[in-house]
Amino acid sequence: KNEVEQSPQNLTAQEGEFITINCSYSVGISALHWLQQHPGGGIVSLFMLSSGKKKHGRLIATINIQEKHSSLHITASHPRDSAVYICAVLTGNQFYFGTGTSLTVIP
Amino acid sequence: KAGVTQTPRYLIKTRGQQVTLSCSPISGHRSVSWYQQTPGQGLQFLFEYFSETQRNKGNFPGRFSGRQFSNSRSEMNVSTLELGDSALYLCASSLGTSNPETQYFGPGTRLLVL
Repeated sequence: KNEVEQSPQNLTAQEGEFITINCSYSVGISALHWLQQHPGGGIVSLFMLSSGKKKHGRLIATINIQEKHSSLHITASHPRDSAVYICAVLTGNQFYFGTGTSLTVIP
Repeated sequence: KAGVTQTPRYLIKTRGQQVTLSCSPISGHRSVSWYQQTPGQGLQFLFEYFSETQRNKGNFPGRFSGRQFSNSRSEMNVSTLELGDSALYLCASSLGTSNPETQYFGPGTRLLVL
């Protein structure tokens, strides 16, 4: 049983397309994180959400606490957005992670 | 500020050996968390240290242990290595004073067990 489910697992898009990655979770959470991992392993924390919506540049993250669902949107996608995007939920003081969405943006 | 640093970056060990990994958090951060990432299991939480005390622990066997020093630097030790311990080990630091808060990840240590 996975506490966090992400979809899709893999995503290929043309440069400029609007991209949505989804995350559903089954546990009560205090926060949800969206992480970006580039080849080589480095991880960057993109957003931390506990309600509503956050925007940073071309990235938008939303969360619906009642439905236990979050989405990460990328507008005007670019090849440099190619990475693995990981959803992580914080419950109590422990993190649970989704398996990640591998995004490839083709020029 | 300098980011989170981890040493070594790459390591090769054989089954049965033990290994120690090091993590230096961002200056001023008192919480250090450790994670294991494998292709099969993805990212998994190992444990968190705050002010030299283990504050939280994931579901890993006792072969995995850690400690934190007074300067907030943390070490993780894995004893009696198994092939399945081959993974990317990531540490992340945060202030540790509020929940939730943003974590800052290091580049990871890639461990290969032969």
